[in-house]
Amino acid sequence: AQKVTQAQTEISVVEKEDVTLDCVYETRDTTYYLFWYKQPPSGELVFLIRRNSFDEQNEISGRYSWNFQKSTSSFNFTITASQVVDSAVYFCALSGGYSTLTFGKGTMLLVSP
Amino acid sequence: EAGVAQSPRYKIIEKRQSVAFWCNPISGHATLYWYQQILGQGPKLLIQFQNNGVVDDSQLPKDRFSAERLKGVDSTLKIQPAKLEDSAVYLCASSSPPRGMGTEAFFGQGTRLTVV
Repeated sequence: AQKVTQAQTEISVVEKEDVTLDCVYETRDTTYYLFWYKQPPSGELVFLIRRNSFDEQNEISGRYSWNFQKSTSSFNFTITASQVVDSAVYFCALSGGYSTLTFGKGTMLLVSP
Repeated sequence: EAGVAQSPRYKIIEKRQSVAFWCNPISGHATLYWYQQILGQGPKLLIQFQNNGVVDDSQLPKDRFSAERLKGVDSTLKIQPAKLEDSAVYLCASSSPPRGMGTEAFFGQGTRLTVV
């Protein structure tokens, strides 16, 4: 069975603060993929990043960075210098083998001016 | 490239009525998914199609939910009869190639269903 835990239900920050969204996963698959999606108020889930289980290199894309650690089964997401437009619900998801995406419950990020 | 199209965006029905949602995936995407997202929760897979065949419908409440993708392109999800607990956003997504190769799914904006 697969499971994704996002312990933070809601985070509030002030613009320009850095914020880290936590994600812990469980899977028995040796090959799997991890994802982060953003869901703005419009409702559409927007793909942010994909990581496979063999690639533990951290990744940076602009103000976004991701820290994948197999030893702790975590795939955390950091937004540097947050902006109001970053306000959304963020979902971590897991896909193992040919199974479909299993989502966490999401973390609502509120960035105030 | 056009994204995943869903309609309607919103629907309000009374319990025990029936409702249908429509989805048109991204052109050329063989895999189509229907997810249910209850308020405050992550999306939960209802059914996955590969072309016009069902790959996974283990979490679909088959006594009231049905879905089809007859020509391997667009799809319809139906609820009959609806219950109050069916109130949720129904998301359609598509991907290519199949999920197991780690490709991302592209989501539509969803249909928000309210059952009163």
